[in-house]
Amino acid sequence: ELVLTQSPATLSVSPGERATLSCRASQSGSSNLAWYQQKPGQPPRLLIYGASTRATGIPARFSGSGSGTEFTLTISSLQSEDFAVYYCQQYNNWPSFGQGTKLEIK
Amino acid sequence: QVQLQESGPGLVKPSETLSLTCTVSGGSITSFYWSWIRQPPGKGLEWIAYRYYTGITSYNPSLKSRVTISIDTSKNQFSLKLSSVTAADTAVYYCATGYTDFDHWGQGTLVTVSS
Repeated sequence: ELVLTQSPATLSVSPGERATLSCRASQSGSSNLAWYQQKPGQPPRLLIYGASTRATGIPARFSGSGSGTEFTLTISSLQSEDFAVYYCQQYNNWPSFGQGTKLEIK
Repeated sequence: QVQLQESGPGLVKPSETLSLTCTVSGGSITSFYWSWIRQPPGKGLEWIAYRYYTGITSYNPSLKSRVTISIDTSKNQFSLKLSSVTAADTAVYYCATGYTDFDHWGQGTLVTVSS
């Protein structure tokens, strides 16, 4: 069974700074890694798929990278609307989600 | 732009069957894979199942014995049934498009399991 581990659990960053979120997979082999943003009371929003492709309408300050078992979501200059919970998700026989990283204002 | 809307009872008794429907607008039910995903209050996301209109289906192994996902092409809807529910099944249930990733989501519906 694929397990995705996100770190850190909580990340405190000031607006305008860069945020780097990590996702580690327990098994290698799939580049079908996606990232989602979720705000309170809202469904998740797809940000990145295929590890590095931005979804439709996603600002360029969001970027994804990585392969194998190590993946990263970078937000280059944090805006107020970016503070939220972020989930990674991978498909390997079936879809699995990480436990989430809460990005909070420092 | 495809839009999804979940509907169904917000309260289900323990041991009974949870039944939800997702109505699709702005797109055809034959154009996508369709998934159900849930999120217990204050917790993370769990994929439940997906189906394609041709009958291709996959279930989360941890829920497989209790879950059925179906599609009604005449109504542009797909549905979820989860049997023998317990309090651990209390969650916001989302319908979504896709299976390798999920790019359109419904707003979600909270289902509480309680007597």
